[in-house]
Amino acid sequence: EAGVAQSPRYKIIEKRQSVAFWCNPISGHATLYWYQQILGQGPKLLIQFQNNGVVDDSQLPKDRFSAERLKGVDSTLKIQPAKLEDSAVYLCASSSVQNSPLHFGNGTRLTVT
Amino acid sequence: AQSVSQHNHHVILSEAASLELGCNYSYGGTVNLFWYVQYPGQHLQLLLKYFSGDPLVKGIKGFEAEFIKSKFSFNLRKPSVQWSDTAEYFCAVNAGYNQGGKLIFGQGTELSVKP
Repeated sequence: EAGVAQSPRYKIIEKRQSVAFWCNPISGHATLYWYQQILGQGPKLLIQFQNNGVVDDSQLPKDRFSAERLKGVDSTLKIQPAKLEDSAVYLCASSSVQNSPLHFGNGTRLTVT
Repeated sequence: AQSVSQHNHHVILSEAASLELGCNYSYGGTVNLFWYVQYPGQHLQLLLKYFSGDPLVKGIKGFEAEFIKSKFSFNLRKPSVQWSDTAEYFCAVNAGYNQGGKLIFGQGTELSVKP
């Protein structure tokens, strides 16, 4: 089975610029997650979708971060405007049902200068 | 708030040495427990999981973990490590069905195995 696809792999932007990341989950997986992993820390959940609805976005900085999952398949995560502290790896994960193990993509490494 | 604590930030072992990575969580209710591994340049992969039943679970590549409810622990073990086990290991907790699959991760333990 094809894994979770993410793009781009790397992105370098200046602070106050905007950036978007894309994720294509494993086919048929209803649940999709975006995690932020800052260097030296474990992944932290930003947002969880069940199909095209948001289940949990309690830790998403909504003043600058937004995410959508139109049609319940692909998802995009946007940061506008970016801050230096947004430098991290952004991981997308999917699972077939809630509470089943997550499958992770390779992540997008964002550097904000 | 729920949290996961991994005791060691970086562990260095020689090949054939035994491994034990500590993981403790804070949550009083039903939990699902996971260990994920991230090899250099690769994505996070599931190593093993505990949902219920036998508290000693076996995973891929000879890894096992023991859930001790009274200690809120889920330590990862391997009797004899190999150079190829060099990776970062993350313990994660899903605090019950009503958490909807949300995983809370520890900060990770980097394992370096010397040949």
